[in-house]
Amino acid sequence: AQTVTQSQPEMSVQEAETVTLSCTYDTSESDYYLFWYKQPPSRQMILVIRQEAYKQQNATENRFSVNFQKAAKSFSLKISDSQLGDAAMYFCAYRSFNTNAGKSTFGDGTTLTVKP
Amino acid sequence: SQTIHQWPATLVQPVGSPLSLECTVEGTSNPNLYWYRQAAGRGLQLLFYSVGIGQISSEVPQNLSASRPQDRQFILSSKKLLLSDSGFYLCAWAGTNQETQYFGPGTRLLVL
Repeated sequence: AQTVTQSQPEMSVQEAETVTLSCTYDTSESDYYLFWYKQPPSRQMILVIRQEAYKQQNATENRFSVNFQKAAKSFSLKISDSQLGDAAMYFCAYRSFNTNAGKSTFGDGTTLTVKP
Repeated sequence: SQTIHQWPATLVQPVGSPLSLECTVEGTSNPNLYWYRQAAGRGLQLLFYSVGIGQISSEVPQNLSASRPQDRQFILSSKKLLLSDSGFYLCAWAGTNQETQYFGPGTRLLVL
C-alpha cells in the first residue's frame, strides 16, 4: 500500500517570504498523481496544485510551485510571496493512476502559520 | 460548473442515537463519491467510496454504513453512534477521469 509522509507538523513564514513544505511517499508504481490541498480554518479542502508523475516539468499555479523528484519520491510545495491568507493546514496526497475508483492516500498535514 | 453540498454543517448527537449525513453533487453525471473522516489536527481517513448507484465499498470496518440511492447522492449512516465517531466528515467527488477529488464543506459531528 502507498504511504504519504509529511515530516513537518508545523511551519511558519514571514509575510512576503518563501516557504517550502515537504512530502515524501512510498510506492512501487510508476504512474500516479500527486496533489497538495489546503485546508483553512473553515476546514474546506481546496486543491492547490496537481502533478502527474509522467511529466518531468514541475507544476506551477501562480505563487505555488512544486519540486517533484520522482526517483527520491519527494514532492515539496513552495509558496512564494506568502500572504496571510495562505495560513492553513496543507495536505499532500497520492493517487495511483490505475487504482480502482481513484482512491487517494493523504499525509497527516503541515500547519502553516504566516506572520505579519 | 460542479458543486458539492453537505448537510448538516454541524451536528451534536447523543451516544447511541442514529446518524444520517447527506452529500449531493451538482453539474456532473456518474461521479465517483467518497466519504472521509478527519480527526482534529490529523489527515483524512477514507471510509467509503462509490463508483455508481448502489455500489459501495468500505475501507474501514466500523459501525458506519453508506448508501448511494441516486447518481449524485451519497449518504453516511449509523444505527448507534459511538463517542469515537466524533470528527469532521468530508464528502468528495471525482469525475470519470478520476484524476482529482473535489471536496464538500464538511460536517462537524460531536457525539456526547
